[in-house]
Amino acid sequence: SQQGEEDPQALSIQEGENATMNCSYKTSINNLQWYRQNSGRGLVHLILIRSNEREKHSGRLRVTLDTSKKSSSLLITASRAADTASYFCATGRDGGGGADGLTFGKGTHLIIQP
Amino acid sequence: NAGVTQTPKFQVLKTGQSMTLQCAQDMNHEYMSWYRQDPGMGLRLIHYSVGAGITDQGEVPNGYNVSRSTTEDFPLRLLSAAPSQTSVYFCASSNRDPGYYEQYFGPGTRLTVT
Repeated sequence: SQQGEEDPQALSIQEGENATMNCSYKTSINNLQWYRQNSGRGLVHLILIRSNEREKHSGRLRVTLDTSKKSSSLLITASRAADTASYFCATGRDGGGGADGLTFGKGTHLIIQP
Repeated sequence: NAGVTQTPKFQVLKTGQSMTLQCAQDMNHEYMSWYRQDPGMGLRLIHYSVGAGITDQGEVPNGYNVSRSTTEDFPLRLLSAAPSQTSVYFCASSNRDPGYYEQYFGPGTRLTVT
């Protein structure tokens, strides 16, 4: 069953704008991870935020986590054409860290218009 | 490091045929997983392994077998292919560093069962 659900399902913005996508989950978590998938490729890990963290930055990425609302958001600032991809949130199964695999949402498909 | 490698990249099977999807990693990771991705869906966990000789079922294990005789290799066997197994298959590996499990994905195998 799907733990995380991303919103929106699809997002199209102009190059240079910021892109925000959200993830909601159902049960308690150890950490939440965001992955990027370019068309026809494998997933690439972007960032991991632990359950005791509220915000984390990595380059142009900013992730927030609100455990009271069971939600996370991924912000990509100053978007580029190369950011066009699908973005997935993932959590460890049964509230674990992820050693026994991850549960993924259905993803947000982001299109950056030149 | 090659990271996680998967072979073949593409495969077409007839219903009832069997085959093995190969996965290897050269990062000395303890944990390995197999996922399938269907159109418009996130990844779903098929089987996982927390070390050589130890495997367990994920969310959608029916019709698949795995074994882990070495740390490096984690093959996925389709016993009798069915059209419902048409999908893209991803292998991933991770290590406990430091207690949170970022996953490294292979490029995927696109399987069509006719």
